[in-house]
Amino acid sequence: GAGVSQTPSNKVTEKGKYVELRCDPISGHTALYWYRQSLGQGPEFLIYFQGTGAADDSGLPNDRFFAVRPEGSVSTLKIQRTERGDSAVYLCASSLGGLGYNEQFFGPGTRLTVL
Amino acid sequence: QKEVEQNSGPLSVPEGAIASLNCTYSDRGSQSFFWYRQYSGKSPELIMFIYSNGDKEDGRFTAQLNKASQYVSLLIRDSQPSDSATYLCAVNGWGKSSGDKLTFGTGTRLAVRP
Repeated sequence: GAGVSQTPSNKVTEKGKYVELRCDPISGHTALYWYRQSLGQGPEFLIYFQGTGAADDSGLPNDRFFAVRPEGSVSTLKIQRTERGDSAVYLCASSLGGLGYNEQFFGPGTRLTVL
Repeated sequence: QKEVEQNSGPLSVPEGAIASLNCTYSDRGSQSFFWYRQYSGKSPELIMFIYSNGDKEDGRFTAQLNKASQYVSLLIRDSQPSDSATYLCAVNGWGKSSGDKLTFGTGTRLAVRP
């Protein structure tokens, strides 16, 4: 079956602009996670959804970052007033359910570059 | 102290050898442990997971977990050049303060020499 998909694959924007990154999880997966990965580092947790609600948003760095999942499937990560330090690969993952033992499968990522 | 520690490498092994990748974690409440492989420019790909102390084998891969020592490892037997990648160790502390999220190490770069 289809894996996790993310769009766009690349996004170049200017400092101060607003961006939206989209994630479409594996069909039937109720849990959805956003991570971001900087060069030479492991992925860093941002936010986790169980269904439509954000179960844990403790990884969002500040209030410029926001994510939604209105229908419990597709999720959008929104970044306002982008800064150069936001440049990274944003990864989305999904799992069958947020029970801790369920494996998370990653999408291809969106490479965000803020000029 | 980092929550999940890995030697960044590179770990260089000859083709056909056993590659041993190690990971330690700080949160004793961690419940499940994952190994991801990441090729350059690609996203992480899940290759192994382990929940209980001991060994778990899947093909050429063996994951080992020792919760008392807070240590998890990955062995790759008969290493192939196609195994050359960065291997990420990830820990899930579900139910504890860390919640249902993965905490990753920085990864160990493995290079398999033909």
